[in-house]
Amino acid sequence: QKEVEQNSGPLSVPEGAIASLNCTYSDRGSQSFFWYRQYSGKSPELIMSIYSNGDKEDGRFTAQLNKASQYVSLLIRDSQPSDSATYLCAVLERRDDKIIFGKGTRLHILP
Amino acid sequence: SAVISQKPSRDICQRGTSLTIQCQVDSQVTMMFWYRQQPGQSLTLIATANQGSEATYESGFVIDKFPISRPNLTFSTLTVSNMSPEDSSIYLCSVALTGRDQPQHFGDGTRLSIL
Repeated sequence: QKEVEQNSGPLSVPEGAIASLNCTYSDRGSQSFFWYRQYSGKSPELIMSIYSNGDKEDGRFTAQLNKASQYVSLLIRDSQPSDSATYLCAVLERRDDKIIFGKGTRLHILP
Repeated sequence: SAVISQKPSRDICQRGTSLTIQCQVDSQVTMMFWYRQQPGQSLTLIATANQGSEATYESGFVIDKFPISRPNLTFSTLTVSNMSPEDSSIYLCSVALTGRDQPQHFGDGTRLSIL
Protein backbone atom coordinates (compact mmCIF):
# COMPACT_ATOMS: atom_id res chain seq x y z
CA GLN A 1 0.00 0.00 0.00
CA LYS A 2 1.54 3.25 -1.12
CA GLU A 3 1.08 5.89 1.53
CA VAL A 4 2.40 9.22 2.59
CA GLU A 5 0.77 10.22 5.83
CA GLN A 6 0.45 13.65 7.36
CA ASN A 7 -1.64 15.04 10.17
CA SER A 8 -4.27 17.20 8.49
CA GLY A 9 -4.28 19.81 11.26
CA PRO A 10 -4.93 22.61 11.61
CA LEU A 11 -1.72 23.11 13.53
CA SER A 12 -1.79 26.42 15.38
CA VAL A 13 1.54 27.96 16.35
CA PRO A 14 2.20 31.36 17.95
CA GLU A 15 4.13 33.86 15.90
CA GLY A 16 7.85 33.57 16.55
CA ALA A 17 7.67 29.95 17.72
CA ILE A 18 8.89 26.83 15.92
CA ALA A 19 6.38 24.96 13.77
CA SER A 20 7.02 21.24 13.41
CA LEU A 21 5.40 19.31 10.56
CA ASN A 22 5.72 15.56 10.27
CA CYS A 23 5.31 12.99 7.52
CA THR A 24 5.65 9.22 7.41
CA TYR A 25 5.93 7.04 4.35
CA SER A 26 5.51 3.35 3.61
CA ASP A 27 8.04 2.58 0.83
CA ARG A 28 11.30 1.76 2.60
CA GLY A 29 13.19 2.12 -0.68
CA SER A 30 12.25 5.78 -1.14
CA GLN A 31 15.23 8.06 -1.75
CA SER A 32 13.86 11.53 -2.58
CA PHE A 33 11.68 13.67 -0.34
CA PHE A 34 10.13 17.07 -0.88
CA TRP A 35 8.20 19.68 1.05
CA TYR A 36 5.77 22.00 -0.72
CA ARG A 37 3.85 24.99 0.57
CA GLN A 38 0.41 25.71 -0.86
CA TYR A 39 -1.47 28.90 -0.10
CA SER A 40 -5.22 28.81 -0.45
CA GLY A 41 -6.20 29.12 -4.11
CA LYS A 42 -2.61 28.80 -5.29
CA SER A 43 -0.50 25.98 -6.70
CA PRO A 44 2.12 24.10 -4.64
CA GLU A 45 5.51 25.76 -4.31
CA LEU A 46 8.66 23.75 -3.59
CA ILE A 47 10.30 24.65 -0.28
CA MET A 48 12.93 21.98 0.17
CA SER A 49 14.26 18.71 -1.15
CA ILE A 50 16.15 16.20 0.99
CA TYR A 51 17.83 13.00 -0.09
CA SER A 52 20.14 11.95 2.80
CA ASN A 53 19.56 11.12 6.43
CA GLY A 54 19.96 14.03 8.79
CA ASP A 55 19.12 17.70 8.67
CA LYS A 56 19.13 20.16 5.80
CA GLU A 57 18.75 23.84 6.55
CA ASP A 58 17.62 26.67 4.28
CA GLY A 59 16.96 29.96 6.00
CA ARG A 60 14.20 29.49 8.55
CA PHE A 61 13.39 26.03 7.22
CA THR A 62 14.99 22.75 8.29
CA ALA A 63 14.09 19.40 6.77
CA GLN A 64 14.90 16.28 8.75
CA LEU A 65 15.03 12.79 7.29
CA ASN A 66 15.21 9.46 9.10
CA LYS A 67 15.02 6.61 6.60
CA ALA A 68 15.25 3.89 9.25
CA SER A 69 12.10 5.20 10.91
CA GLN A 70 10.55 6.26 7.58
CA TYR A 71 9.73 9.79 8.53
CA VAL A 72 10.56 13.21 7.27
CA SER A 73 9.82 16.46 9.05
CA LEU A 74 9.90 20.18 8.37
CA LEU A 75 10.74 22.73 11.04
CA ILE A 76 9.93 26.40 10.55
CA ARG A 77 11.76 28.68 12.95
CA ASP A 78 10.56 32.15 13.92
CA SER A 79 7.14 31.43 12.41
CA GLN A 80 5.47 34.33 10.64
CA PRO A 81 1.79 34.87 9.76
CA SER A 82 2.86 34.55 6.11
CA ASP A 83 3.82 30.93 6.84
CA SER A 84 0.13 30.11 7.28
CA ALA A 85 -0.57 27.63 4.48
CA THR A 86 -0.97 23.94 3.76
CA TYR A 87 2.31 22.01 3.69
CA LEU A 88 2.51 18.97 1.45
CA CYS A 89 5.01 16.18 1.95
CA ALA A 90 5.98 14.33 -1.24
CA VAL A 91 7.97 11.12 -1.54
CA LEU A 92 9.46 9.51 -4.64
CA GLU A 93 8.48 5.88 -4.19
CA ARG A 94 11.11 3.63 -5.72
CA ARG A 95 8.66 0.77 -6.32
CA ASP A 96 6.73 2.67 -8.98
CA ASP A 97 9.17 5.53 -9.57
CA LYS A 98 6.42 8.06 -8.83
CA ILE A 99 6.08 10.99 -6.49
CA ILE A 100 3.28 10.45 -3.99
CA PHE A 101 1.86 13.48 -2.21
CA GLY A 102 0.47 13.48 1.30
CA LYS A 103 -2.83 15.18 2.00
CA GLY A 104 -1.08 18.08 3.64
CA THR A 105 -1.03 19.75 7.04
CA ARG A 106 -2.77 23.08 7.48
CA LEU A 107 -0.58 25.44 9.47
CA HIS A 108 -1.97 28.54 11.14
CA ILE A 109 0.42 31.06 12.68
CA LEU A 110 -1.27 33.06 15.38
CA PRO A 111 -0.28 36.77 15.41
CA SER B 1 13.68 26.61 -12.12
CA ALA B 2 11.47 26.85 -15.19
CA VAL B 3 8.66 29.32 -15.81
CA ILE B 4 5.45 27.38 -16.38
CA SER B 5 2.47 29.06 -18.03
CA GLN B 6 -0.89 27.34 -17.83
CA LYS B 7 -4.00 28.48 -19.68
CA PRO B 8 -6.82 29.10 -19.06
CA SER B 9 -6.55 30.00 -15.39
CA ARG B 10 -10.22 29.27 -14.87
CA ASP B 11 -13.31 28.39 -16.83
CA ILE B 12 -16.96 27.60 -16.36
CA CYS B 13 -18.26 25.00 -18.79
CA GLN B 14 -21.49 23.29 -19.67
CA ARG B 15 -21.93 19.62 -19.02
CA GLY B 16 -21.12 17.43 -22.01
CA THR B 17 -18.58 19.83 -23.50
CA SER B 18 -14.78 19.52 -23.60
CA LEU B 19 -11.99 21.87 -22.54
CA THR B 20 -8.34 21.82 -23.49
CA ILE B 21 -5.79 23.13 -20.99
CA GLN B 22 -2.38 24.23 -22.21
CA CYS B 23 0.95 24.08 -20.39
CA GLN B 24 3.95 25.95 -21.79
CA VAL B 25 7.44 25.86 -20.25
CA ASP B 26 10.16 28.38 -21.02
CA SER B 27 12.85 25.70 -21.33
CA GLN B 28 13.08 22.07 -22.35
CA VAL B 29 12.15 19.69 -19.56
CA THR B 30 12.42 15.96 -19.25
CA MET B 31 9.14 15.18 -17.54
CA MET B 32 5.70 16.76 -17.67
CA PHE B 33 2.76 15.66 -15.55
CA TRP B 34 -0.91 16.45 -15.13
CA TYR B 35 -2.60 16.42 -11.72
CA ARG B 36 -6.07 17.00 -10.37
CA GLN B 37 -6.75 18.57 -7.01
CA GLN B 38 -10.29 18.50 -5.71
CA PRO B 39 -11.37 20.95 -2.99
CA GLY B 40 -9.63 20.24 0.30
CA GLN B 41 -7.79 17.27 -1.14
CA SER B 42 -4.24 16.53 -2.10
CA LEU B 43 -2.85 16.05 -5.58
CA THR B 44 -3.86 13.08 -7.70
CA LEU B 45 -1.68 12.23 -10.67
CA ILE B 46 -3.70 11.84 -13.86
CA ALA B 47 -0.89 10.96 -16.25
CA THR B 48 2.68 11.49 -17.33
CA ALA B 49 2.88 13.30 -20.66
CA ASN B 50 5.45 11.60 -22.89
CA GLN B 51 7.09 13.51 -25.70
CA GLY B 52 6.21 11.97 -29.05
CA SER B 53 4.23 9.05 -27.66
CA GLU B 54 1.05 8.25 -25.78
CA ALA B 55 0.75 9.46 -22.21
CA THR B 56 1.04 7.05 -19.30
CA TYR B 57 -2.21 7.10 -17.34
CA GLU B 58 -2.74 6.30 -13.68
CA SER B 59 -5.34 3.91 -12.43
CA GLY B 60 -8.79 5.42 -12.75
CA PHE B 61 -7.92 7.75 -15.61
CA VAL B 62 -8.37 6.86 -19.29
CA ILE B 63 -7.28 8.38 -22.55
CA ASP B 64 -10.82 8.79 -23.89
CA LYS B 65 -11.73 11.02 -20.96
CA PHE B 66 -8.39 12.84 -20.57
CA PRO B 67 -6.52 12.89 -23.88
CA ILE B 68 -3.05 14.38 -23.52
CA SER B 69 -0.61 15.65 -26.10
CA ARG B 70 3.07 16.49 -25.80
CA PRO B 71 4.44 17.42 -29.20
CA ASN B 72 7.78 18.69 -27.89
CA LEU B 73 9.84 19.17 -24.71
CA THR B 74 8.22 22.50 -23.75
CA PHE B 75 4.50 22.07 -24.37
CA SER B 76 1.64 19.80 -23.37
CA THR B 77 -2.15 19.85 -23.40
CA LEU B 78 -4.77 18.08 -21.32
CA THR B 79 -8.33 17.81 -22.59
CA VAL B 80 -11.19 17.09 -20.20
CA SER B 81 -13.83 15.45 -22.38
CA ASN B 82 -17.59 15.13 -22.05
CA MET B 83 -17.50 17.02 -18.77
CA SER B 84 -19.81 16.38 -15.84
CA PRO B 85 -20.07 18.21 -12.51
CA GLU B 86 -17.76 15.59 -10.98
CA ASP B 87 -14.94 16.97 -13.16
CA SER B 88 -15.08 20.29 -11.33
CA SER B 89 -11.60 20.60 -9.90
CA ILE B 90 -8.26 22.31 -10.20
CA TYR B 91 -6.03 20.84 -12.89
CA LEU B 92 -2.30 21.35 -12.52
CA CYS B 93 0.59 20.91 -14.90
CA SER B 94 3.98 20.12 -13.37
CA VAL B 95 7.47 19.59 -14.72
CA ALA B 96 10.62 17.86 -13.57
CA LEU B 97 13.60 19.49 -15.20
CA THR B 98 16.01 16.61 -15.58
CA GLY B 99 14.44 13.42 -14.31
CA ARG B 100 11.75 11.74 -12.29
CA ASP B 101 13.83 11.86 -9.09
CA GLN B 102 13.99 15.63 -9.20
CA PRO B 103 11.41 17.90 -7.56
CA GLN B 104 8.42 18.92 -9.59
CA HIS B 105 7.46 22.52 -10.24
CA PHE B 106 3.86 23.48 -10.79
CA GLY B 107 2.00 25.83 -13.05
CA ASP B 108 -0.63 28.12 -11.57
CA GLY B 109 -3.42 25.65 -12.29
CA THR B 110 -6.75 25.76 -14.07
CA ARG B 111 -9.86 26.07 -11.91
CA LEU B 112 -12.65 24.30 -13.76
CA SER B 113 -16.34 24.44 -12.85
CA ILE B 114 -18.97 22.41 -14.66
CA LEU B 115 -22.58 23.55 -14.59
